[in-house]
Amino acid sequence: KNEVEQSPQNLTAQEGEFITINCSYSVGISALHWLQQHPGGGIVSLFMLSSGKKKHGRLIATINIQEKHSSLHITASHPRDSAVYICAAAPNYGGATNKLIFGTGTLLAVQP
Amino acid sequence: DVKVTQSSRYLVKRTGEKVFLECVQDMDHENMFWYRQDPGLGLRLIYFSYDVKMKEKGDIPEGYSVSREKKERFSLILESASTNQTSMYLCASSLEILPLHFGNGTRLTVT
Repeated sequence: KNEVEQSPQNLTAQEGEFITINCSYSVGISALHWLQQHPGGGIVSLFMLSSGKKKHGRLIATINIQEKHSSLHITASHPRDSAVYICAAAPNYGGATNKLIFGTGTLLAVQP
Repeated sequence: DVKVTQSSRYLVKRTGEKVFLECVQDMDHENMFWYRQDPGLGLRLIYFSYDVKMKEKGDIPEGYSVSREKKERFSLILESASTNQTSMYLCASSLEILPLHFGNGTRLTVT
């Protein structure tokens, strides 16, 4: 079992829909990172959070440390939101080294 | 804005060739990383470096080596490329644990 699990693996939505992508993890973490990867492109950082909620435009990320769960929400989805969304957990063990644990990603397709 | 630049977007090499993948960052970041990304497996850490001339193995270092002679440059070396090293390679850098800043990736095909 992966230490970081994302669901769903694939998601198809109609333009305008509210979208939720989930990320559950089984280790203690210091922070969680949401990333976006467009087809053929590099990876862009969306959010880094260790508690509560962050919002940027139509994107909202929440985290519940006690439940070891984070969600990424997209309001009023648009075809340009189509991408792979990846969550990555920074475990709070390991000393000074930094070895993020990545989920396998959620492929989102928003249809017009 | 942090810029992480990978020298090639696409690369085709033959089995047995020595392959160099270069990565440069312009923000004086201490930490640099090489990942490979394969369908269904997500991102897997090959090597990382937290200082010049320092390196540590990640989860899948076999068949790879790295070099960090200058703070801004982190090179991934495939000593003798094999077909199972066909993949997307992503370089990243960071100042602290997060956030990571990624390059655009190099899609390597070994034939």
